[in-house]
Amino acid sequence: SQQGEEDPQALSIQEGENATMNCSYKTSINNLQWYRQNSGRGLVHLILIRSNEREKHSGRLRVTLDTSKKSSSLLITASRAADTASYFCATGYSNDYKLSFGAGTTVTVRA
Amino acid sequence: DAGVIQSPRHEVTEMGQEVTLRCKPISGHDYLFWYRQTMMRGLELLIYFNNNVPIDDSGMPEDRFSAKMPNASFSTLKIQPSEPRDSAVYFCASSNSLGREKLFFGSGTQLSVL
Repeated sequence: SQQGEEDPQALSIQEGENATMNCSYKTSINNLQWYRQNSGRGLVHLILIRSNEREKHSGRLRVTLDTSKKSSSLLITASRAADTASYFCATGYSNDYKLSFGAGTTVTVRA
Repeated sequence: DAGVIQSPRHEVTEMGQEVTLRCKPISGHDYLFWYRQTMMRGLELLIYFNNNVPIDDSGMPEDRFSAKMPNASFSTLKIQPSEPRDSAVYFCASSNSLGREKLFFGSGTQLSVL
């Protein structure tokens, strides 16, 4: 079963705008990751945040983690057409190496 | 490095036929994962290996599915007999012990069972 749930399911924005998507999960985690999937392709790892971290940055990406609310957010700043993709959160646990993926947020960036 | 390589890219078969999906992980990676992606169920972990040994196959749907990893550079996922509900995209992913949390995915195999 899917551990993470992304919100919204779909997002359409204008190029240059920021895109924010959220992920909620149910049980305690060791880490939370975000992946991107372009149409017809495999998933690509974007960023990982550990349970003892609150915020992380990578280029135009900013991820936050609130373990008390069991939620995370991914912010893409100054979006580009190339950011059009589906974004998935995945939760990892201390006692095994399985990742549980959410259903994803489909982001469309309009030129 | 060429990344994780999966074959075939597309597979169309008839119900009842045997299907074999193949995966070559990134060299040096000692974890290998098989995932299935459908619109209804999203991404589901089927099985994963560590050093060629199956660690957790609790996600394998039923006995019709089997996976092997005869060596560090090759894995197969077999469905016999195939059914229309097996239609999905099957992904292979690999990682290494140092960065095991970060998965590298192949491009997937689009399976259609008619």
